[in-house]
Amino acid sequence: AQSVTQLDSHVSVSEGTPVLLRCNYSSSYSPSLFWYVQHPNKGLQLLLKYTSAATLVKGINGFEAEFKKSETSFHLTKPSAHMSDAAEYFCVVSDQARAAGNKLTFGGGTRVLVKP
Amino acid sequence: DTGVSQDPRHKITKRGQNVTFRCDPISEHNRLYWYRQTLGQGPEFLTYFQNEAQLEKSRLLSDRFSAERPKGSFSTLEIQRTEQGDSAMYLCASSARTQRGTEAFFGQGTRLTVV
Repeated sequence: AQSVTQLDSHVSVSEGTPVLLRCNYSSSYSPSLFWYVQHPNKGLQLLLKYTSAATLVKGINGFEAEFKKSETSFHLTKPSAHMSDAAEYFCVVSDQARAAGNKLTFGGGTRVLVKP
Repeated sequence: DTGVSQDPRHKITKRGQNVTFRCDPISEHNRLYWYRQTLGQGPEFLTYFQNEAQLEKSRLLSDRFSAERPKGSFSTLEIQRTEQGDSAMYLCASSARTQRGTEAFFGQGTRLTVV
C-alpha cells in the first residue's frame, strides 16, 4: 500500500521569498515520487519526478525537491516565489512494482498563495 | 494537439440520468487511467487499462460506474443513475514506459455537476 501526506493544506508567501511545501510518503516498494501543479481551470502539470537516480531533483520553473529515504520525505522548494506560482500543488507516489501498474496516489494538495 | 483530450469539458445532469465521458490518450501510450477529484481534494484512482485490458478497479468504482477501452485507444467512463455525490472532476491520464521511466500525462478533465 502507498500513501502521501502533505503537511500543509495552505501556504502563503511573499513574492521573492522562498517556498517550502512538505510531503511525507509511505510505500511498500521502491517508490517513484512526483510533484504536480494544478492552476485554476487547467490540467495537472508535472513539475519534477524522482525515480531512484539523484536524490536532489530539479524541475521546471525553478522548483526542486530532495528525496530523503530515512525521513520518508520529498519536500518541494523554490528559492524565490513568483506571482505565477500561485496554484495547487500535489505530491504523488507510485509503486515501481510491476503489478502496481504505475498507479498514482495523490496527497491532499497544498494551495499556494503568493502575496505581492 | 498531441496531449490527452477529454470530452466534454463540463456536464450538468439531473440526478438519475446516465452520463458518458470520453478520453483520447496520447497515441503511443498503452496505459490509460481514470481519476476522480472532488473539491479541495487530491485526485483519487478509479481504474486503469493496459491496452484494452482493464487491470484494476478501485473500491470507489461502484457498480454504477463502468469503463471501457475497446480497441486499446480511446476510453469511455459511464455513470448510470447519477447521484449528487458523483459531482466531481473526472480526470484521464495516459502513460508509457520509456528509457526515462514512466510519466503520466493528464487531460484537463470533465467537470460533472449532478443537480
